[in-house]
Amino acid sequence: AQTVTQSQPEMSVQEAETVTLSCTYDTSESNYYLFWYKQPPSRQMILVIRQEAYKQQNATENRFSVNFQKAAKSFSLKISDSQLGDTAMYFCAFTKGGTSYGKLTFGQGTILTVHP
Amino acid sequence: GAGVSQTPSNKVTEKGKYVELRCDPISGHTALYWYRQSLGQGPEFLIYFQGTGAADDSGLPNDRFFAVRPEGSVSTLKIQRTERGDSAVYLCASSLGLAGEGGELFFGEGSRLTVL
Repeated sequence: AQTVTQSQPEMSVQEAETVTLSCTYDTSESNYYLFWYKQPPSRQMILVIRQEAYKQQNATENRFSVNFQKAAKSFSLKISDSQLGDTAMYFCAFTKGGTSYGKLTFGQGTILTVHP
Repeated sequence: GAGVSQTPSNKVTEKGKYVELRCDPISGHTALYWYRQSLGQGPEFLIYFQGTGAADDSGLPNDRFFAVRPEGSVSTLKIQRTERGDSAVYLCASSLGLAGEGGELFFGEGSRLTVL
């Protein structure tokens, strides 16, 4: 079974600065996908970024980038130029893909607060 | 509709009662997923449908939980003899397909169930 661990229950950052959220996972799969989701108070989970394990290049989406270390089973999210709208709960998630692509295993989440 | 719609948004019930939660996926999405999110935790997979059939119901906690999707669109999660431990936010997600880019999940805002 897969496990996903987020060791930072809460993080805070000043507006316009950079923050990194940590995630580690455990799996015996050789190919899989990792995600970061954002959950604002509205409760709707929003996909921030996705990484395919067989791709060595780290994924980037505008101000969001990841540091994917496959051997260490580490998948951190870096948010640059933080904005007040980034305040939310962030979840790291794993799937082994294939027809089980949408069957995600989530971490416990990190509450991120961006201060003005 | 434009997004995944879940009703009711909030439901308060008494221990032992029967509850139904409804999910209306994005039009044309063939896959539909149910997750349960307890307070302060990440979502946990319950069940997913491909079309009308349950492709994987391994996450349902016990036989009090049941879900249907009779016409391959709207799905209903049914909980019998509710217990206080069932209190959680129940999230629904849909995707165009099962894998790859077409498998990206789009989440609704969830139904918060409180069992008194």
